[in-house]
Amino acid sequence: AQSVAQPEDQVNVAEGNPLTVKCTYSVSGNPYLFWYVQYPNRGLQFLLKYITGDNLVKGSYGFEAEFNKSQTSFHLKKPSALVSDSALYFCAVSPISSASKIIFGSGTRLSIRP
Amino acid sequence: NAGVTQTPKFQVLKTGQSMTLQCAQDMNHEYMSWYRQDPGMGLRLIHYSVGAGITDQGEVPNGYNVSRSTTEDFPLRLLSAAPSQTSVYFCASSSPSTNEKLFFGSGTQLSVL
Repeated sequence: AQSVAQPEDQVNVAEGNPLTVKCTYSVSGNPYLFWYVQYPNRGLQFLLKYITGDNLVKGSYGFEAEFNKSQTSFHLKKPSALVSDSALYFCAVSPISSASKIIFGSGTRLSIRP
Repeated sequence: NAGVTQTPKFQVLKTGQSMTLQCAQDMNHEYMSWYRQDPGMGLRLIHYSVGAGITDQGEVPNGYNVSRSTTEDFPLRLLSAAPSQTSVYFCASSSPSTNEKLFFGSGTQLSVL
């Protein structure tokens, strides 16, 4: 069965500093990997995805994620955090063989202090 | 440019009542799915569908039924509501043509008393 682990419930970063939100996954075969963001009182928005190819994926709002097959990780990163990045972030995975079944992690709340 | 439309936005039920959460998409996406969001639990997959007439169970299917008679619609039925089903429910659609990127509805906040 596929699963996603986001080990940190909350990440606190000062504005201007780099940020990392961690994600590890378990899936049979090759994965599709995603990051979504949820701002307060708003729906979920797509940030980026890894399908195949380059291990470093660039997405919306300056975010990027690095796929590491040996560590089964897909950490979300940004070189310089903004206060407006404060939100709830979700990592998600599906196996390529069953791409319609997308499983999410428990979420990490990112808080950027001015 | 509606995307994924969920109705109602808010609903209060009494224990034992039944209801249907509606979901419709106008993007001709093959895949549709239902998630529930609970604090500390993230998004959990309830049921999903790869096309009209085909549905399958997700992580937490008990207490919920679905059907997919058309490509556009994917209603979620609560047969006998329980307080444990108090949650925010999201419908989503996707397609191989979008590399499975999920498009979400705005959610239904359900309270079961």
